Amino acid sequence: DSGVTQTPKHLITATGQRVTLRCSPRSGDLSVYWYQQSLDQGLQFLIQYYNGEERAKGNILERFSAQQFPDLHSELNLSSLELGDSALYFCASSTAGGAGTEAFFGQGTRLTVV
Amino acid sequence: DAKTTQPPSMDCAEGRAANLPCNHSTISGNEYVYWYRQIHSQGPQYIIHGLKNNETNEMASLIITEDRKSSTLILPHATLRDTAVYYCIVRVALGSARQLTFGSGTQLTVLP
Repeated sequence: DSGVTQTPKHLITATGQRVTLRCSPRSGDLSVYWYQQSLDQGLQFLIQYYNGEERAKGNILERFSAQQFPDLHSELNLSSLELGDSALYFCASSTAGGAGTEAFFGQGTRLTVV
Repeated sequence: DAKTTQPPSMDCAEGRAANLPCNHSTISGNEYVYWYRQIHSQGPQYIIHGLKNNETNEMASLIITEDRKSSTLILPHATLRDTAVYYCIVRVALGSARQLTFGSGTQLTVLP
């Protein structure tokens, strides 16, 4: 158990809909990262938040957005869903500061768009 | 962050040591080498990281060459549960952690 909690574990929704994925980081971790892994694809970095502020952006679509709340949990919002958005979405967290900081991943949310 | 090169796949007999190589010839002096693994569709799992010295923990050993252009992850006694994709990642560790950039990794299959 990494200490990172993601909900829900599975989500099935229709095209055009909007969903929200939730991530609770490890206690004390200030950074949250979101990754997308499509079928047979690698892990693609989407976005990072640090202590409530956006820190880095990767290959995140404009239809997707995220935020990190004062209690440090994060939500990834996916709207106008398309079939190609079906993927595993992982959240990771890490502490701030210190050299060689590792990130810990949750077990992911499997999103199926039908 | 420096680019890494790993073999796409490797096999290892159960109980034997698994040695997974990684080339990172463009690594900079302040970049760390990280290893993660992903067992099928699970979240990636941190294994080990190092800067220039060899490192060992309960999961594995990391051997980094003196010029730091390559490294080897060693699983001393591989089990069937070690079958996974192993990712070698090189990145700078700053004050606020930066994202990990995953490549294609090495699919390690441990054979009975």
